[in-house]
Amino acid sequence: GQQLNQSPQSMFIQEGEDVSMNCTSSSIFNTWLWYKQDPGEGPVLLIALYKAGELTSNGRLTAQFGITRKDSFLNISASIPSDVGIYFCAGQLYAGGTSYGKLTFGQGTILTVHP
Amino acid sequence: SAVISQKPSRDICQRGTSLTIQCQVDSQVTMMFWYRQQPGQSLTLIATANQGSEATYESGFVIDKFPISRPNLTFSTLTVSNMSPEDSSIYLCSVGTGGGYTFGSGTRLTVV
Repeated sequence: GQQLNQSPQSMFIQEGEDVSMNCTSSSIFNTWLWYKQDPGEGPVLLIALYKAGELTSNGRLTAQFGITRKDSFLNISASIPSDVGIYFCAGQLYAGGTSYGKLTFGQGTILTVHP
Repeated sequence: SAVISQKPSRDICQRGTSLTIQCQVDSQVTMMFWYRQQPGQSLTLIATANQGSEATYESGFVIDKFPISRPNLTFSTLTVSNMSPEDSSIYLCSVGTGGGYTFGSGTRLTVV
């Protein structure tokens, strides 16, 4: 089946630094999603990407859908302590008339921000 | 986006027993999804639950172990049957909304 390789596995940064993480896949996806998970909570959607080459921002977050449809990256600029958490990429492949298909998740990036 | 209420939020269970997890959505949705997140791991899809039909299970997950009900468009349950310590995980339900997916806050299950 499809597999996502997410890197890095963990990052330790100083407040104010920029962060970059990425996901690569062995096969294509129609949609790339980026989620953040805080302890004791479910993942919360940060950014959704629907077209190859698409670059989308959400505040200090920027994500891109790779033109090959097999990769995506997420950047966080000027990190703050509340950015701490686990970040997951997820790819979706759907077909036919349905709007929703199965999500495949990356392994996650654990982000620690030192004040 | 949809708001999901999932309960219980956590439980400690004896091996060999079963636990039923409930997922309530504040709007009608066609598809609901159940995921498992083992300690320190990513999310793995268990099954997709459509109202009015049997759930579709992913490879490695079977109905006898994880029976699912979907009685209407706003509610679903997942049962973890005959539990063993290896079933200790976070179980999350999810629905598709506006091109993305919304997740419940999860049920943290510990089997002793």
